[in-house]
Amino acid sequence: EVQLVESGGGVVRPGGSLRLSCAASGFTFDDYGMSWVRQVPGKGLEWVSGIDWNGDITTYADSVKGRFTVSRDNAKNSLSLQMDSLRAEDTALYHCARGRYGDQRFFDLWGRGTLVTVSS
Amino acid sequence: SYVLTQIPSVSVVPGQTARITCGGNNIGSRSVHWYQQKPGQAPVLVVYEDKGRPSGIPERFSGSNSGNTATLTISRVEAGDEADYCCQVWDSSGDHFFGTGTKVTVL
Repeated sequence: EVQLVESGGGVVRPGGSLRLSCAASGFTFDDYGMSWVRQVPGKGLEWVSGIDWNGDITTYADSVKGRFTVSRDNAKNSLSLQMDSLRAEDTALYHCARGRYGDQRFFDLWGRGTLVTVSS
Repeated sequence: SYVLTQIPSVSVVPGQTARITCGGNNIGSRSVHWYQQKPGQAPVLVVYEDKGRPSGIPERFSGSNSGNTATLTISRVEAGDEADYCCQVWDSSGDHFFGTGTKVTVL
């Protein structure tokens, strides 16, 4: 089955760190760029970070630049997001998403997400 | 930054047509993509590049884009179409912008 499954969410204190993972299956993982997109409960989607097919090119939203690091392991069909210096406003459901075309102009496969709560 | 504005909610009777708009400055010059999201489920791409329809998406879903407004049209609405719908555009800087979302309620 073609799917993306996120894990690693939880509750963390402000200033803390968390590492999210996304397991891909059912398709050739290294044919695609991947992204993380988050959603504050009851609100809209916000793109967080993207990575190209082999990890050479990474991009970040201004809101997370310098604090989050995206990476991938094509041998393990896995995408990761290292989140440091977390803030209350980072609280959200984090989805991984498969991008179409080299520059990931849109996303044709999403996971259900993993919830990150930043609270003291 | 690029702001995409959507009406918060739309109500429609089964069998009728729902039109969900996405407003943005000169959005007609960009490609617009639409996602459907049901509670507790992953978002699903329903229209790409203004009017493309992914495999498995019913022909009842269609899109258009001109001027300052892009529109997702759902014809012959069914109970299963009840969901949140969100538009998205990509910027050549690598950023992605999402609309505020529209909740479609099937009466």
